[in-house]
Amino acid sequence: GAVVSQHPSRVICKSGTSVKIECRSLDFQATTMFWYRQFPKQSLMLMATSNEGSKATYEQGVEKDKFLINHASLTLSTLTVTSAHPEDSSFYICSASIGGPYEQYFGPGTRLTVT
Amino acid sequence: GDSVTQMEGPVTLSEEAFLTINCTYTATGYPSLFWYVQYPGEGLQLLLKATKADDKGSNKGFEATYRKETTSFHLEKGSVQVSDSAVYFCALTGGGADGLTFGKGTHLIIQP
Repeated sequence: GAVVSQHPSRVICKSGTSVKIECRSLDFQATTMFWYRQFPKQSLMLMATSNEGSKATYEQGVEKDKFLINHASLTLSTLTVTSAHPEDSSFYICSASIGGPYEQYFGPGTRLTVT
Repeated sequence: GDSVTQMEGPVTLSEEAFLTINCTYTATGYPSLFWYVQYPGEGLQLLLKATKADDKGSNKGFEATYRKETTSFHLEKGSVQVSDSAVYFCALTGGGADGLTFGKGTHLIIQP
């Protein structure tokens, strides 16, 4: 149980275009979903926290107009990278909280490459 | 802000060796502490956790004890296996609805 999927697993896009990444909790309802970014050989950095039906809370330094997060249902959150640039190339990982304290379940990640 | 520092790898050990991966943290309040593991090609999986001082988390032969006095949460295993090869992340959170603060990860390589 507690499986989280992400789609796509890899995406290549041209500079200036937008890319949408989906995060789904497959067998549970996630009250809270988190989006992280991981640079090569570095840690995961929390980008934003989203609760179903409300606006996402972004971490300091994360542009909310560039990284649009929608949490429309208890099983789906989306991250849209708008007007992507090569520096947005990274590994994006989502996690979902099942509602109990401190437990987060992670998706497998999405590798974004902007050319 | 909160931060987690863990030893950087790669750490290479022979099978059946004793493993220690150091992790220290800085945080306000009383965080909960975690070890996550990422196997090649897979997502992060929770390995173990501790939510208060002196708690010991354990799973799959791995252990870590929440030491408030030294702000540490070192990961240990008495006898590692090749299948333990992975990247291990130490992390903390201040509350149930908070995101996690991660260390940089330690790549562990176990040789037969």
